[in-house]
Amino acid sequence: KAGVTQTPRYLIKTRGQQVTLSCSPISGHRSVSWYQQTPGQGLQFLFEYFSETQRNKGNFPGRFSGRQFSNSRSEMNVSTLELGDSALYLCASSLLGGAADEQYFGPGTRLTVT
Amino acid sequence: AQRVTQPEKLLSVFKGAPVELKCNYSYSGSPELFWYVQYSRQRLQLLLRHISRESIKGFTADLNKGETSFHLKKPFAQEEDSAMYYCVLNTGTASKLTFGTGTRLQVTL
Repeated sequence: KAGVTQTPRYLIKTRGQQVTLSCSPISGHRSVSWYQQTPGQGLQFLFEYFSETQRNKGNFPGRFSGRQFSNSRSEMNVSTLELGDSALYLCASSLLGGAADEQYFGPGTRLTVT
Repeated sequence: AQRVTQPEKLLSVFKGAPVELKCNYSYSGSPELFWYVQYSRQRLQLLLRHISRESIKGFTADLNKGETSFHLKKPFAQEEDSAMYYCVLNTGTASKLTFGTGTRLQVTL
């Protein structure tokens, strides 16, 4: 079956702009999580969606938001971009998002803020 | 708050030598622990989870609640084991992974 897909793969934005990243989970998976990966902070949890509801949230400012659609596809939005938002953004999906579930990761979207 | 510590950024071993990647966690409840691996130019993927108690690609990991550790071991390293390894903790009932900083394993001839 097809894996998790993320679009776009690369993105360059300017400070102050906003950006929307998209994630399509594996067919049948209802949980989608987002992570930010930077050299300094490593991999950090942003939020998790299940059945169109945000179920968990990490310690990120309100500029970071997301949503999930009825087909389980998810988007995350970052408003008023800052240089520090430059990172690889990973999306992961799992069947039900249970604590012991395997997470399937996408290839990531590389965001560069100039 | 939960935390995962992987003390080694880089571990270099010879082919055929034993491997142990260290992982310690801090969490007062019952954790779900995993090892995820990222091979060169591939996606992050699950290697093994403590609940399965299985050996994958010759790797095993035992949860030691007394020492709050979940070290990854393999008796004989292979070149194809070279990768980035992340120890990962999940708590609660839903998905919210806490990652360690990762250890790069380099297996040389």
